[in-house]
Parts: sequence; structure tokens; C-alpha cells
Amino acid sequence: EVHLEESGGDLAQPGGSLRLSCAASGFTFSDYAMSWVRQAPGTGLEWVSTISGGGDDASYADSVKGRFTVSRDNSNYTLFLQMNSLRAEDAAIYYCATPATVFVHWGQGAPVTVSS
Amino acid sequence: ENVLTQSPGTLSLSPGERATLSCRASQSVSSSFLAWYQQKPGQAPRLLIYGGSSRAAGIPARFSGTGSGTDFTLTISRVEPEDFAVYYCQHYGGSRTFGQGTKVEIK
Repeated sequence: EVHLEESGGDLAQPGGSLRLSCAASGFTFSDYAMSWVRQAPGTGLEWVSTISGGGDDASYADSVKGRFTVSRDNSNYTLFLQMNSLRAEDAAIYYCATPATVFVHWGQGAPVTVSS
Repeated sequence: ENVLTQSPGTLSLSPGERATLSCRASQSVSSSFLAWYQQKPGQAPRLLIYGGSSRAAGIPARFSGTGSGTDFTLTISRVEPEDFAVYYCQHYGGSRTFGQGTKVEIK
């Protein structure tokens, strides 16, 4: 059974940084692209980033491009999202999901708060 | 950017009634790249429909997806108590764009 579990959600100051992790199990991690999707409080869903199975290709939403970096450690079945230069509008629940386009499997989400 | 607009914003129904949810795209999309998700409070979204009309694994037959071009519909033939939730459409042909959601609430 596929299981995704995010961690690293926390309170950060505007301009600060956070690193989210997503531990995966139940499937061959390196065979699948992985994505991050976020949901601001009381609002809808926004795709954030996707990384290929091999980790050599990544794409980002315009709203986070240049500030967020997605990466993965296939040996340890872990997905990461490095978030720099955080803004108030980045506050959200961040979900890891797979695969790349249609999101079949989701984690439970990691809450990120951005406030001074 | 292809904008997806869902209507109505809220749908008030009694159990057993039929639910019809609309998703309209600002540009024509292939139905092969249209999905629907269900989200309940405090939970992650759950994939219901992909490819416009294919049910995901474990999704009951009362959920169906139709449409083409710019107009797509999610239908719940007879709403069950567990179906009261928010529903999102998503286009995944290029960017992964979501609609703003339709809340199905108990009347």
C-alpha cells in the first residue's frame, strides 16, 4: 500500500526558509515522479512543483519559481521541498502527491505558517 | 494559463438526490487530461475521476464524469451521506490547474 508522510511544517518568518520532507513507502520510489501541491487556509488547491523519478527534471509554479527547490533521495525514498524567501502568501498545507499529473496518492499534509 | 471555473459554488442537496457539478475551462482541453477530486474537512483530496470519465480505483459507480472541449460535468447519481464534501476539477495537460471547488452540503 502506498504511503506518503510529510514532515517539516512549521512557523517561519517572512523572508525565512523551511525544508519539507515526504517519506514514501509501498512502491518503487524511483519509478515515479513526485509532486507538491498546497492549499492555503480556506482556499483551493495549487500545484507547486514536480520532479521526475530520476530527479533530473523539475518544474515549478510561477508563484514559487526561483524561491523553492524540489529534490529527492531515491535511496531513502524521500522527497524534499526547500522553501526560501518565504512570503505570507506561502502559508498553506503542503501535500506531497504522486505521480506527476493526476494525483492518485496524497500524504496527510504539512502545515506551513509564515508570520512575524 | 487555462483557468477552470466551477459552478455552483455551493450545492445544497438531500441524500438520494442527484448532484450535477460543472467545470468550465477558459480554453479547450482534451478530456483525456481532466480529473475530479473529493476533499473532506481535515483530509487530503481523493482522486475520483481521471481522463474525463474513468473512475479511479475503489470509486463507486454513482460517480461519473462527462464532457469535452471547455465544459465538463461530475455527476453523483444519488448522493450518499459520505458524499458531502468539496469537489475540485483539475486540468493536467500542461500545467496542473485546479478549479476553485464546489461544496456539496446537506440541505
